[in-house]
Amino acid sequence: AQSVTQLGSHVSVSEGALVLLRCNYSSSVPPYLFWYVQYPNQGLQLLLKYTTGATLVKGINGFEAEFKKSETSFHLTKPSAHMSDAAEYFCAVKRWEGGSEKLVFGKGTKLTVNP
Amino acid sequence: DTGVSQDPRHKITKRGQNVTFRCDPISEHNRLYWYRQTLGQGPEFLTYFQNEAQLEKSRLLSDRFSAERPKGSFSTLEIQRTEQGDSAMYLCASSPEGAATYEQYFGPGTRLTVT
Repeated sequence: AQSVTQLGSHVSVSEGALVLLRCNYSSSVPPYLFWYVQYPNQGLQLLLKYTTGATLVKGINGFEAEFKKSETSFHLTKPSAHMSDAAEYFCAVKRWEGGSEKLVFGKGTKLTVNP
Repeated sequence: DTGVSQDPRHKITKRGQNVTFRCDPISEHNRLYWYRQTLGQGPEFLTYFQNEAQLEKSRLLSDRFSAERPKGSFSTLEIQRTEQGDSAMYLCASSPEGAATYEQYFGPGTRLTVT
């Protein structure tokens, strides 16, 4: 069954520094992978997704992620952090079972951006 | 397209009371999902509707929980005899019929506090 693991529940960076949030997946079939962002007391907003095709995926707000099958990873990066990037980030994999589908989420990584 | 809406945004109730939440998906999205998110965790799948048919219920959805989607439009999630462990954010999401590559669009959530 598909699952994801996010390494590091908290990540702290300085404004302007590189952001790297780690996600590893487990899947017996080619995975569909997603990164969502959640601001306090709000729902989830899609940053980017990988389904098929190009393994380097660009998303909103300057974020990108690279699908690496050999490493079973889908890490999220941004070259230069901005204060407004402070939020919680969730990696997810789509799972299909018996005519149903769902997203299976990691536990999330809270990003703090220091001035 | 006004996005997924949920009502109420916040609900405080006493243990043992019944509560009902509503979700209005993006119009013409025939797939609807409910998730539960507790503090410090990623969202966990509760149930999935395709049109009015409830195709999957998680084992997290005990007998006290019931969800409906009459006429395949809005959905309601009812919790009977609430317990303190039910305190969480309840998220609704929708997606269109068609390609499996479509992402899920999330609403702002309903935060439930059981005292």
